[in-house]
Amino acid sequence: AQKVTQAQTEISVVEKEDVTLDCVYETRDTTYYLFWYKQPPSGELVFLIRRNSFDEQNEISGRYSWNFQKSTSSFNFTITASQVVDSAVYFCALSERWNNNDMRFGAGTRLTVKP
Amino acid sequence: DAGITQSPRHKVTETGTPVTLRCHQTENHRYMYWYRQDPGHGLRLIHYSYGVKDTDKGEVSDGYSVSRSKTEDFLLTLESATSSQTSVYFCAISESSNSNQPQHFGDGTRLSIL
Repeated sequence: AQKVTQAQTEISVVEKEDVTLDCVYETRDTTYYLFWYKQPPSGELVFLIRRNSFDEQNEISGRYSWNFQKSTSSFNFTITASQVVDSAVYFCALSERWNNNDMRFGAGTRLTVKP
Repeated sequence: DAGITQSPRHKVTETGTPVTLRCHQTENHRYMYWYRQDPGHGLRLIHYSYGVKDTDKGEVSDGYSVSRSKTEDFLLTLESATSSQTSVYFCAISESSNSNQPQHFGDGTRLSIL
């Protein structure tokens, strides 16, 4: 089965620092989708981005950017000029081909941004 | 925000008692999911439904059952709760089973089994 590893359990930065959250995945499928979700202290899960295995272009959305590299099976997430409101747990997840019913999540990275 | 309501939001109960959690959606999505979230494990799929009365097991289904009698409602039942089932439970919905469709989550139910 597919697997997602987020090796960074907790990260603490000071406001305005850049921070990168790592995500490494394993899959035997050639077609798959990667996701990032944010879980703020209030507890809900917020969808951030989806990336398919055929599109290795990096994506930028405001202060957020994502670096997808198939060669290293990584889908890393960078927050530029971090803010206190970015404090949350971030999850990386993977779905294979036509099987969204078996989405696998990483253990999550808790990001704390200090003022 | 996706129209997903989980109830109750918090529950404390004793070992051996039955517990039912409810997920209600207003999006008319076909697919619904129950996950549990535990430290160090992220989210793990318990059961999912691909239509009314159509359900299947996920990664951690032992000790849980589900039912879906209407498109909008997906129930998760712990027949005899154990302390190992203390967790935060999330319901999710998806428009289709295509892997490019993100799942959208409810706000979670915090369940404590004493």
